[in-house]
Amino acid sequence: AQSVAQPEDQVNVAEGNPLTVKCTYSVSGNPYLFWYVQYPNRGLQFLLKYITGDNLVKGSYGFEAEFNKSQTSFHLKKPSALVSDSALYFCAVSETTSGTYKYIFGTGTRLKVLA
Amino acid sequence: GAGVSQSPRYKVAKRGQDVALRCDPISGHVSLFWYQQALGQGPEFLTYFQNEAQLDKSGLPSDRFFAERPEGSVSTLKIQRTQQEDSAVYLCASTPGGLRETQYFGPGTRLLVL
Repeated sequence: AQSVAQPEDQVNVAEGNPLTVKCTYSVSGNPYLFWYVQYPNRGLQFLLKYITGDNLVKGSYGFEAEFNKSQTSFHLKKPSALVSDSALYFCAVSETTSGTYKYIFGTGTRLKVLA
Repeated sequence: GAGVSQSPRYKVAKRGQDVALRCDPISGHVSLFWYQQALGQGPEFLTYFQNEAQLDKSGLPSDRFFAERPEGSVSTLKIQRTQQEDSAVYLCASTPGGLRETQYFGPGTRLLVL
């Protein structure tokens, strides 16, 4: 069964410092991997995705993520954090080899960027 | 508007009451997903439509939950005989095609069952 884990409930980082939000996954086939961000009282917004190709994926708002097949990870990164990046971040995985159509979301990591 | 819309945004129901939640996907989007998001949790998949066909309903928690998309556009999630454990935010998302594509989420409907 496919699954995704976000081991950190919260990540604190000082403004201007690099940030990393961790995600590991488990799928039986080739994964499709996504990062979404959720601001208070709003729906999820797409940040970036990995389908195939280059392992380093660049997305919205300066975020990027690196697909690491051997470590089954897809960590979200940003070289210099902004206070406005403070939000709830979700990693998601999907694959279709099992014949299902599910996205599986992680439990979320709250990012707090301190001024 | 160009985005996914959901109505109502907030719903308070008495236990045992039936509720209907509406999702208007982005025009032309083929796929539509429903999720349940409990407080402090990630979205949990409920069901998936491709056009009017419900291809996966394995995430629906009980037979009290029913979803439809009769014309392949607007979708309704119905919960019969609501229970307190149904209290959550119900999210709808759509994509132009299938699973490889970005999901566009609506703002959600916050359901509180008293």
